[in-house]
Parts: sequence; C-alpha cells; structure tokens
Amino acid sequence: DAKTTQPNSMESNEEEPVHLPCNHSTISGTDYIHWYRQLPSQGPEYVIHGLTSNVNNRMASLAIAEDRKSSTLILHRATLRDAAVYYCIERGSQGNLIFGKGTKLSVKP
Amino acid sequence: KAGVTQTPRYLIKTRGQQVTLSCSPISGHRSVSWYQQTPGQGLQFLFEYFSETQRNKGNFPGRFSGRQFSNSRSEMNVSTLELGDSALYLCASSLGGTSGYNEQFFGPGTRLTVL
Repeated sequence: DAKTTQPNSMESNEEEPVHLPCNHSTISGTDYIHWYRQLPSQGPEYVIHGLTSNVNNRMASLAIAEDRKSSTLILHRATLRDAAVYYCIERGSQGNLIFGKGTKLSVKP
Repeated sequence: KAGVTQTPRYLIKTRGQQVTLSCSPISGHRSVSWYQQTPGQGLQFLFEYFSETQRNKGNFPGRFSGRQFSNSRSEMNVSTLELGDSALYLCASSLGGTSGYNEQFFGPGTRLTVL
C-alpha cells in the first residue's frame, strides 16, 4: 500500500505557481522522497527527489519539512503542459517505487 | 540517447491465452522494473530484474513472470489471462546500482485488453 497521502486533485491558472502537498509521516530517516508525474497517455516521468534539504531543478522545487513528515512540490509557473497526475513516492522495502493515487493537476488558461 | 521502448504498444487477447511483452531499456541501464497500471489499483510493482536476475518481486500471482537477457532487454509473460489483467503495463529502466540515486525512466507502456 502507498505510504504517502496527497489531495486527489488541484487546479491552477496558467503562469501561476502551484504547490502540491504530500504527507509521508512514516518515512525512515534514510529514504528519499521522490516525485514523478504522468502526462496523459504517457508513462511516468521523474520530476525531482530529495532527502532533507530543499531541492531545485529545471522542472520544479521540492520543499521538505524539517521533520520530514511532509513535503511540497512547487511548480513556479504552471503551463498547460504541466497538467498531469503528480505522484509523491517512497521506496518499498524491496527498493521499488510505491505509487499512490497521486494528485491530478488541472491548469486553466 | 534513445528512451525506453516497449512493444507492442497495444494488444488484445482473450481469456485463457498467454501474452509476452517486451521492454528495451536505455543503453547502459542494467535494471528493468515492470509495473501494472489499472484505474482501480493504480500503479503496482510487478518485479525488477538486474543483470539477468530477478532482484525484487511484488505481490502478483505466479502467472506473471519475467526475464532479462544479457543485453538488459526484458520480457514479461502473463499466462492464462483473466479479464482483470487488462491494464497498462509499464516498464522502467535505471542504472540499478545500490549506491547513489537511481532515477527510473519509464516507457510509454503496453495497453493489454483481455476479452
């Protein structure tokens, strides 16, 4: 079963920032938090990952709470192409990614 | 670099038949993982192969099996198909090392329909 919880859906306006929250209260101290997204009719794609510190890359930023029980994926300026299901993921005991239901992000022009 | 490729992209089978799906990982990647995606259960891990050996396995019945070849290409097989096996089957490849971060790269999936 998924170890993370996310809102089922969120809406954003184009060109505005989006904050996608995730709770992962059972995460161990050495596990990364991973974010992937799945665009319509495509396989998931990597967005970002982090351990303790906030992380930035060309796609997004990841803000991790000090107690590591939650994190927020930040898209600084949402575009229509960012409409997707965003998954916040922990690794299972076997090293596999455990996907929850994710957050379906809709972006309005 | 070419991405992960999966063949075929679409497949229609009938109950009781068997099916083989193929996945070609990114060049240099030694790990291949398989996932099943359905509307009800979401994305679920099937198994992972690394250097021709099954390294990890999810909670699926024995009808689901896989293998990996020396060139890292992988196949998964489902025998005695059931209606509930209708799903998108996704393959993901990664470098597979045990240290550092292993980003998984997913293919477009094979859409299997069982009638």
